Amino acid sequence: GQQVMQIPQYQHVQEGEDFTTYCNSSTTLSNIQWYKQRPGGHPVFLIQLVKSGEVKKQKRLTFQFGEAKKNSSLHITATQTTDVGTYFCAGTKAAGNKLTFGGGTRVLVKP
Amino acid sequence: KAGVTQTPRYLIKTRGQQVTLSCSPISGHRSVSWYQQTPGQGLQFLFEYFSETQRNKGNFPGRFSGRQFSNSRSEMNVSTLELGDSALYLCASSWTSGAGELFFGEGSRLTVL
Repeated sequence: GQQVMQIPQYQHVQEGEDFTTYCNSSTTLSNIQWYKQRPGGHPVFLIQLVKSGEVKKQKRLTFQFGEAKKNSSLHITATQTTDVGTYFCAGTKAAGNKLTFGGGTRVLVKP
Repeated sequence: KAGVTQTPRYLIKTRGQQVTLSCSPISGHRSVSWYQQTPGQGLQFLFEYFSETQRNKGNFPGRFSGRQFSNSRSEMNVSTLELGDSALYLCASSWTSGAGELFFGEGSRLTVL
């Protein structure tokens, strides 16, 4: 079945530094979504990417969808303590199919 | 607009018992999905309902079941509880099935003793 993997599983970042988390699918995706879950909270939608090679920015966050639509990345610049949480990617093979989540990247920020 | 509401928020059961969890989606949303979240396994898809029909199903045993009512509210049931069923059960609603943003509830944390 479809598998979505994220690396790294944990990311320790010094406040102010940049980092990137990666998401890889075993199959070509129709679209990919990113969610953020704060400690003790529930996942909150960040963004959806649909087109091959698509790049979207949200303030300090940059999301990219690979050309082959099998991978994605999230890059955060100038990390802040508010960025603490677990970032999940989730993909679907086609509209109407289930959304499969990756294992998440847990981000810890050192002040 | 009210968000996704899940009840109960916390519950403790013993092995062999059964449990029913409830989810009220955002008004107007017709799709409801259920996920199991555990520290080691991340978010595992259970099933999705759209207009009272199960659209997609994950790889969970038959002890896990669900349904959706005409008002889009959904319930999931776990029978013959096992220790490994201890988890946070998250419900998410959306406008359409299998696409678009998911709005998650706070979850129901189940502990099986």
